[in-house]
Amino acid sequence: GAVVSQHPSWVICKSGTSVKIECRSLDFQATTMFWYRQFPKQSLMLMATSNEGSKATYEQGVEKDKFLINHASLTLSTLTVTSAHPEDSSFYICSASVYGEAYEQYFGPGTRLTVT
Amino acid sequence: AQKITQTQPGMFVQEKEAVTLDCTYDTSDQSYGLFWYKQPSSGEMIFLIYQGSYDEQNATEGRYSLNFQKARKSANLVISASQLGDSAMYFCAMRDPYSSASKIIFGSGTRLSIRP
Repeated sequence: GAVVSQHPSWVICKSGTSVKIECRSLDFQATTMFWYRQFPKQSLMLMATSNEGSKATYEQGVEKDKFLINHASLTLSTLTVTSAHPEDSSFYICSASVYGEAYEQYFGPGTRLTVT
Repeated sequence: AQKITQTQPGMFVQEKEAVTLDCTYDTSDQSYGLFWYKQPSSGEMIFLIYQGSYDEQNATEGRYSLNFQKARKSANLVISASQLGDSAMYFCAMRDPYSSASKIIFGSGTRLSIRP
């Protein structure tokens, strides 16, 4: 089956610093990758959609300059949380899909970010 | 706008019993897809089952079946012969029919706990 990895699985950073989270499709080429955010005991909220080689499309209310998304290749997308604050502490999950597969999204294992 | 509603925040079920998790959706589109995902405490999102709006038969995958009632706009998940390992959060989701990128909208989730 299609496998998506995320790195790191958890990270602790100090307030004001930036942290990068990687999302990789290991055995397939992902035309589209999605980034979600999940607060404790809540649902997944889509942050942005990224297509390889083009700018990400952000959902309403998501700060583009704070959550930088780069989709440099068909197997790698990165989310950079810039100038992190404690309220950015959350579980970040990426998923990947393949053009032509109408419904399947393959989810990564998630990254738990704690900002102190 | 599309919306997914899960009215059961939590459920307790005795092991080996069947359980139904409720999900209703709201969309004005005729073509859409419905999903159920399982999220154990580890955080990974596990795809369980998919139902297309034009599928005439209810989807089934092993112990999981989807009770699709299109006129009522409901897509309940039925788990037969529940097991302790079924304890997790369960999310109903719908593919945004207006998104060419297969964007998925999630419900608020139901926490299922299986009693031994």
